Amino acid sequence: GAVVSQHPSRVICKSGTSVKIECRSLDFQATTMFWYRQFPKQSLMLMATSNEGSKATYEQGVEKDKFLINHASLTLSTLTVTSAHPEDSSFYICRLDAGRGGTDTQYFGPGTRLTVL
Amino acid sequence: GQQLNQSPQSMFIQEGEDVSMNCTSSSIFNTWLWYKQEPGEGPVLLIALYKAGELTSNGRLTAQFGITRKDSFLNISASIPSDVGIYFCAGTQGGSEKLVFGKGTKLTVNP
Repeated sequence: GAVVSQHPSRVICKSGTSVKIECRSLDFQATTMFWYRQFPKQSLMLMATSNEGSKATYEQGVEKDKFLINHASLTLSTLTVTSAHPEDSSFYICRLDAGRGGTDTQYFGPGTRLTVL
Repeated sequence: GQQLNQSPQSMFIQEGEDVSMNCTSSSIFNTWLWYKQEPGEGPVLLIALYKAGELTSNGRLTAQFGITRKDSFLNISASIPSDVGIYFCAGTQGGSEKLVFGKGTKLTVNP
């Protein structure tokens, strides 16, 4: 089956620093990538949607200058949290669309736990 | 944005018991999906439903797409300890690929 990886799995950083999270598809080309944020004991909230080679579309209330998304290729998307603050501490999860049609060809990554001190 | 109402919020059951959880919405959904998430991991798709009235099974799991297209349920039969986790319903509306998630049902199975 399809495999999606995220790196790092956990990161702890100081307030004010930037953190880059990578999401890779290991055995398929992802035409569309989604980034979610999940706070403890909460549901997943969509942050942005990106298609390879074009700018990401951000959900209402998500600052595009703070959460930089680069869909560099059909196998890699990155989310950079710039000038991170403690309130950005969360579980960040990517979801990739294998493009074969149907929502069951979309796969979640294992997530990245970000802790900002 | 659109919210899915998922219930119950949590369940504590004995091994071997059956489990039922559901999601409702005030508006119509085109697809209903059920995911399981374990601590520190991303959600894993359990069952996908595409048609009103559709009833689909995956092992001990059964899910149905409500006829009104505004609800769905997930049943787990003969629960086992490894069923523990948080179960999320999710759905899409219109022609959008965006998934709207419910708030999750935390399942605890006592051996």
